[in-house]
Amino acid sequence: EIVLTQSPGTLSLSPGERATLSCRASQRVSSNYLAWYQQKPGQAPRLLIFGASSRATGIPDRFSGSGSATDFTLTISRLEPEDFAVYYCQQYGGSPSYTFGQGTKLEIK
Amino acid sequence: QVQLQQWGAGLVKPSETLSLTCTVHGGSLSGYHWSWIRQVPGQGLEWIAEINNIGITNYSPSLKSRVTISVDTSKNQFSLKLTSVAAADTAVYYCAREGLKEMWGVFDYWGQGTLVSVSS
Repeated sequence: EIVLTQSPGTLSLSPGERATLSCRASQRVSSNYLAWYQQKPGQAPRLLIFGASSRATGIPDRFSGSGSATDFTLTISRLEPEDFAVYYCQQYGGSPSYTFGQGTKLEIK
Repeated sequence: QVQLQQWGAGLVKPSETLSLTCTVHGGSLSGYHWSWIRQVPGQGLEWIAEINNIGITNYSPSLKSRVTISVDTSKNQFSLKLTSVAAADTAVYYCAREGLKEMWGVFDYWGQGTLVSVSS
């Protein structure tokens, strides 16, 4: 099973700043099958990025994904107030199961 | 617009069976894979199982011995059963749709979540 480790655990930033979130895999993620989700309290996760760098429908272009193999990054170029949430990475290239990282909490400084 | 509506018992006794169902509105089961995912309160996400419209299944190795996922295409529904539950199974359970082709395994639509507590 591929284990995903996200860092930092908590990131404290101000609106307007740039956020960089990391996701590291215990082994190579096949075909860069890596997704990112945003989750707000009491809500289901929302898909942001798939294929490491493709934005999902309706996702603002301030969200971008990059990386390959075992190291992936989610960048939010200029934080809006609604971006403060928990972010999860997920790999879907490993068989037989899909796995998620433990999450990064993005909080207002 | 696809919507997933899920329901099931919110309180289950230890050693009994957890049962949840998810109805898909605004779309067909056909061609897609459908999953169950859970989240222990305050913690991360754990994928449980997936199924497609013709009943081909895939299970998390850690839960495989206790999980059954099934589909009812006549009702546009899929369901989850988890047997012999314990306190560690207390979680919010989500149903979700996986995308097509290169998005197989990507969860693009989610149900609202059901908190299932295991307690006597």
